Amino acid sequence: SSELTQDPAVSVALGQTVRITCQGDSLRSYYASWYQQKPGQAPVLVIYGKNNRPSGIPDRFSGSSSGNTASLTITGAQAEDEADYYCNSRDSSGNHHAVFGGGTQLTVL
Amino acid sequence: QLQLQESGPGLVKPSETLSLTCTVSGGSISSSSYYWGWIRQPPGKGLEWIGSIYYSGSTYYNPSLKSRVTISVDTSKNQFSLKLSSVTAADTAVYYCASEDILTGYYYWGQGTLVTVSS
Repeated sequence: SSELTQDPAVSVALGQTVRITCQGDSLRSYYASWYQQKPGQAPVLVIYGKNNRPSGIPDRFSGSSSGNTASLTITGAQAEDEADYYCNSRDSSGNHHAVFGGGTQLTVL
Repeated sequence: QLQLQESGPGLVKPSETLSLTCTVSGGSISSSSYYWGWIRQPPGKGLEWIGSIYYSGSTYYNPSLKSRVTISVDTSKNQFSLKLSSVTAADTAVYYCASEDILTGYYYWGQGTLVTVSS
């Protein structure tokens, strides 16, 4: 399968922890990358590989993976974390084809 | 750090070919470190991978778009390009170019350009 499945929407209280998940067969073979997208802006890479953050990404963002599921965890969510989050990985074809999840809209209450 | 900038017409007529160019600065498009990709996002919807190209010229396309997509690279201009033929209203989207590192995913993105398909 070349699909990655995400919950359409998740909410979290300010300062609490939230986990956003991504499911797909290709995640058994490849790590997911995670992107944050705010309205009118290009996506920003926030997590890649096993659990790596690009420079400038707060350490409240972390990633993990188990079986066919990848997770993005925000520990102590802030108001500025309200955004759409997308997972991305290779598909299972082995042909360097990429696939994106459908996205999760995160609301910080 | 790399900077990417999309350019091209913002309005394309149905059945015609959409053509966009991505200019890369801050690094060489001939670098073996990166693949160069196109991703689009219809209004109010999610991200869709269109395809990517390696500096060697190897191309990889979304199977659902493969029959209509051509991605090419111009090393002399440090640019890569997207052509999408036989467009319909369903191809209306913000089109992003981005650099993909094998280890990180899409690290650098252009700001995106809205292309509307309409007569």
